[in-house]
Amino acid sequence: KQEVTQIPAALSVPEGENLVLNCSFTDSAIYNLQWFRQDPGKGLTSLLLIQSSQREQTSGRLNASLDKSSGRSTLYIAASQPGDSATYLCAVGSSNTGKLIFGQGTTLQVKP
Amino acid sequence: EAGVVQSPRYKIIEKKQPVAFWCNPISGHNTLYWYLQNLGQGPELLIRYENEEAVDDSQLPKDRFSAERLKGVDSTLKIQPAELGDSAVYLCASSLGSLGGQETQYFGPGTRLLVL
Repeated sequence: KQEVTQIPAALSVPEGENLVLNCSFTDSAIYNLQWFRQDPGKGLTSLLLIQSSQREQTSGRLNASLDKSSGRSTLYIAASQPGDSATYLCAVGSSNTGKLIFGQGTTLQVKP
Repeated sequence: EAGVVQSPRYKIIEKKQPVAFWCNPISGHNTLYWYLQNLGQGPELLIRYENEEAVDDSQLPKDRFSAERLKGVDSTLKIQPAELGDSAVYLCASSLGSLGGQETQYFGPGTRLLVL
């Protein structure tokens, strides 16, 4: 059974800092890995999608990497801003079930 | 372009009462998903529709939960009777094709349910 784990559960950093969020998964049979952002009381917004054949994707200040063999992904946020404060969820598209399997999220607070 | 629309946004009911949630997916999206999100956890799939057909309802507690997607557009998720443990956020998502976990899913804002 695919399990997705995110560490840390919560993170607080001062504005301007570069930071890394971690995601690990137990089964390498995946189509892709996605990073989502969730603001309080809101739905999920897709940030980046990495296909299983890719190593990384970039969008603006965000860079996501994927190491399928070791079951790890990282989301790198450069020059963090207070507007980046949210919960970040990673999810793997499971080849076995065809489903998106989510981690529990990392709640990020960027202090001005 | 309008996103995924859900209503109501919030619902408070007493246990044993019925409750229903409504979802309107993005226009042209064939696949619709209902997820359950407990506090501090990631969403978990309850049911997935491809057009009118429920292609994956293995995680739906069928003794009290039901869903329908008439005409392959809007969908309704119902709980009857509700239990205290059903308090959670119910998210609806849609995607263009039928590839499930292979493609980008677009999420609505969710319905936050509190059962007293």
